[in-house]
Amino acid sequence: GAGVSQSPSNKVTEKGKDVELRCDPISGHTALYWYRQSLGQGLEFLIYFQGNSAPDKSGLPSDRFSAERTGGSVSTLTIQRTQQEDSAVYLCASSLRGNSVPYTDTQYFGPGTRLTVL
Amino acid sequence: GQQVMQIPQYQHVQEGEDFTTYCNSSTTLSNIQWYKQRPGGHPVFLIQLVKSGEVKKQKRLTFQFGEAKKNSSLHITATQTTDVGTYFCAGTDSNYQLIWGAGTKLIIKP
Repeated sequence: GAGVSQSPSNKVTEKGKDVELRCDPISGHTALYWYRQSLGQGLEFLIYFQGNSAPDKSGLPSDRFSAERTGGSVSTLTIQRTQQEDSAVYLCASSLRGNSVPYTDTQYFGPGTRLTVL
Repeated sequence: GQQVMQIPQYQHVQEGEDFTTYCNSSTTLSNIQWYKQRPGGHPVFLIQLVKSGEVKKQKRLTFQFGEAKKNSSLHITATQTTDVGTYFCAGTDSNYQLIWGAGTKLIIKP
């Protein structure tokens, strides 16, 4: 079936504007993750949704960042009053059941949204 | 907070040489996964290790999970240009949190 999709693929915005990034996970996957990756850097965890549980928001860098997941499927990451340091690639991933022991399900990543804040 | 340290940050090798990246956790992990990210691409799952002392092989890639389940390594024998990219480890801790290493970038010298 289709993989994880993200839109838009590129977004250029002006400092101070709000942006919304969308993620469509693989159908049937209950877990969804958002990450941020600055150029040449590692993955910075932002937020994790698992089924109907309260999301793990521990990675959100400030209260300008928020995310929701409607109907257990599509997720939107919103960044308010964007700053230049928000420029990065925002990656979404989904997995069948999420973090678990002994096995953690494989994460399938989308192609990312490249955000540039001027 | 809990961390997974991954070293080195970069490794430059001649094609045909071996490559190794190491991940070390401050706490015991339930499992550890390895992902590869090609330049301009997104991370792609390679393998998961669960058992203490586990060793798994995929062609020229050898993955190990330490006896104490606090460290792991990925070793590539006789690197090829197709191996270029950044290799990430990600471990699940006892709180079901997935902790990512910072990645090791494999660069093939021209």
